[in-house]
Amino acid sequence: NAGVMQNPRHLVRRRGQEARLRCSPMKGHSHVYWYRQLPEEGLKFMVYLQKENIIDESGMPKERFSAEFPKEGPSILRIQQVVRGDSAAYFCASSPRYREGLNTEAFFGQGTRLTVV
Amino acid sequence: AQSVTQLDSHVSVSEGTPVLLRCNYSSSYSPSLFWYVQHPNKGLQLLLKYTSAATLVKGINGFEAEFKKSETSFHLTKPSAHMSDAAEYFCVVLNYGGSQGNLIFGKGTKLSVKP
Repeated sequence: NAGVMQNPRHLVRRRGQEARLRCSPMKGHSHVYWYRQLPEEGLKFMVYLQKENIIDESGMPKERFSAEFPKEGPSILRIQQVVRGDSAAYFCASSPRYREGLNTEAFFGQGTRLTVV
Repeated sequence: AQSVTQLDSHVSVSEGTPVLLRCNYSSSYSPSLFWYVQHPNKGLQLLLKYTSAATLVKGINGFEAEFKKSETSFHLTKPSAHMSDAAEYFCVVLNYGGSQGNLIFGKGTKLSVKP
């Protein structure tokens, strides 16, 4: 059972370009979460998605950032018109369907390191 | 609201000596707490988790953590450090106030292990 797969592992973009980060959750997992890690910081929650639904996007910047998790295919985190401050490691995690009273574990991918030049 | 505070940004130990990484939490509910490890340029791996069962939790690679409600602490320990333990460690609390799966991370503690 492959783990959470993220690609690309490293992405370099010039200011103003678009960045697309992909995440394939573990088999059988229907919940996907995106986190951002700035240098010398812990991970900060961005968005929580289920198939075709955004459940919580309270951590997403209001502009330029969007996320989707279509019925088929990976989850995509899209950053339009990137700026230097978007340079960070972006991690995706997945978990199984939540069941009342259980604390589910999130499994993390290896991350995509975005560098904006 | 939930939060975690990792008291040391950097800990350095000698190989074979004990490891102590400190974490204090704040939670309005009975918390679910985790420790994750991140090796350089790698993803995060779950070391252990506390979910209101036994207060002493054993994890992988010889690590364990003790949940102490009176001290609001969840410190990570290991009796004898190994060179391969050098990594960054994150104390994490599950955010019940937010969406299920919203993990709140501490800022991390970098562990260095000297030969």
